[in-house]
Amino acid sequence: DAKTTQPPSMDCAEGRAANLPCNHSTISGNEYVYWYRQIHSQGPQYIIHGLKNNETNEMASLIITEDRKSSTLILPHATLRDTAVYYCIVRSLSGGGADGLTFGKGTHLIIQP
Amino acid sequence: DGGITQSPKYLFRKEGQNVTLSCEQNLNHDAMYWYRQDPGQGLRLIYYSQIVNDFQKGDIAEGYSVSREKKESFPLTVTSAQKNPTAFYLCASSKWTSGAFSGANVLTFGAGSRLTVL
Repeated sequence: DAKTTQPPSMDCAEGRAANLPCNHSTISGNEYVYWYRQIHSQGPQYIIHGLKNNETNEMASLIITEDRKSSTLILPHATLRDTAVYYCIVRSLSGGGADGLTFGKGTHLIIQP
Repeated sequence: DGGITQSPKYLFRKEGQNVTLSCEQNLNHDAMYWYRQDPGQGLRLIYYSQIVNDFQKGDIAEGYSVSREKKESFPLTVTSAQKNPTAFYLCASSKWTSGAFSGANVLTFGAGSRLTVL
């Protein structure tokens, strides 16, 4: 699976859009980009995933560059409850994909009041 | 509501004792996972199971054991052979079907169990 690089921490003002970057320059054609987040002392929560098209759901938007070497998770109107560690994961579906995901250290997003 | 239940939430153990962490899911998911998380670190995969009566070692299986006798249950035993067992343990589950995108990598996590060895 491709390796991902994320900044260790970021700040964002409450009510503003939070843009979390992720580099995955070695991504291959069959690998998806997944985003999860983990609020302190809780289990991680799935946010969104994508292959090559931009995706949006009720939680966030995912923008993937045309060459797929990087992506950005956007939280459009950040609230204090969005303070969490955000994980960017790249994973293929070979073998059904049911052998787990690899979670790195992620980005600690702090929403400032 | 469907979800994953882990128990106990907090657990204290003396050195040399085995302890079993419970994980139950009512999501009808086929695959289940155990992860370990240390302070300030990411998650590391201990064991995973894709079907009943079958499981595979993850990246850090030494000192741990699991069983999968029922689809809904995947208990983890931390044995005395685990040299540094104090950690936050997370259980997860997912669907697993072959073919095109199946949701197999969309994991649902429990709230975690925090184990402290005294």
